Amino acid sequence: KQEVTQIPAALSVPEGENLVLNCSFTDSAIYNLQWFRQDPGKGLTSLLLIQSSQREQTSGRLNASLDKSSGRSTLYIAASQPGDSATYLCAVLSQRDAGGTSYGKLTFGQGTILTVHP
Amino acid sequence: SAVISQKPSRDICQRGTSLTIQCQVDSQVTMMFWYRQQPGQSLTLIATANQGSEATYESGFVIDKFPISRPNLTFSTLTVSNMSPEDSSIYLCSAYTFGELFFGEGSRLTVL
Repeated sequence: KQEVTQIPAALSVPEGENLVLNCSFTDSAIYNLQWFRQDPGKGLTSLLLIQSSQREQTSGRLNASLDKSSGRSTLYIAASQPGDSATYLCAVLSQRDAGGTSYGKLTFGQGTILTVHP
Repeated sequence: SAVISQKPSRDICQRGTSLTIQCQVDSQVTMMFWYRQQPGQSLTLIATANQGSEATYESGFVIDKFPISRPNLTFSTLTVSNMSPEDSSIYLCSAYTFGELFFGEGSRLTVL
């Protein structure tokens, strides 16, 4: 059974800092990994998607890396801003679930609550 | 990307009643899903909404409690039946398209 763990559970930083959020998964046989952002009481916004064959993806100030063999992914946020304050969720689609109608069966981590102070 | 609209966005319901949540996608998608997020918890998949056939439920979720409809490729409903306070959660609709999963804004349900 796939399990996803995110560290730290919460993070509070001053504006302008570069920061790293960590995600680990127990079963390295993954199809892809997604990072999401969730604002309080809201749905999820997809930030980055990394296929199992890729090592990293970048979007603006965000960079996500994937080390499938060690079961780890990191989300790097450069020059953090108060608007980045949210919960960041890592989710994995396992290889055994990638097929037919199973592409939505993601295993989520508990999330990292990020607060960026002005 | 896909734009997913859900309604209601939030509701407060009495114990023993039922509530139906609607999900509309702005384009045709083959795969739609329903997730639950209990307070302080991460997301758990409830079921896959199959167009033209019965939904596929995950372990711990049953059709009598969470009946799902999927009449076409852009629309689905989730009903939470005979609600109890333990059903208080955010319910999220999602769709798989363009190689990734997109989510709606969620429906926050509070059961008194």
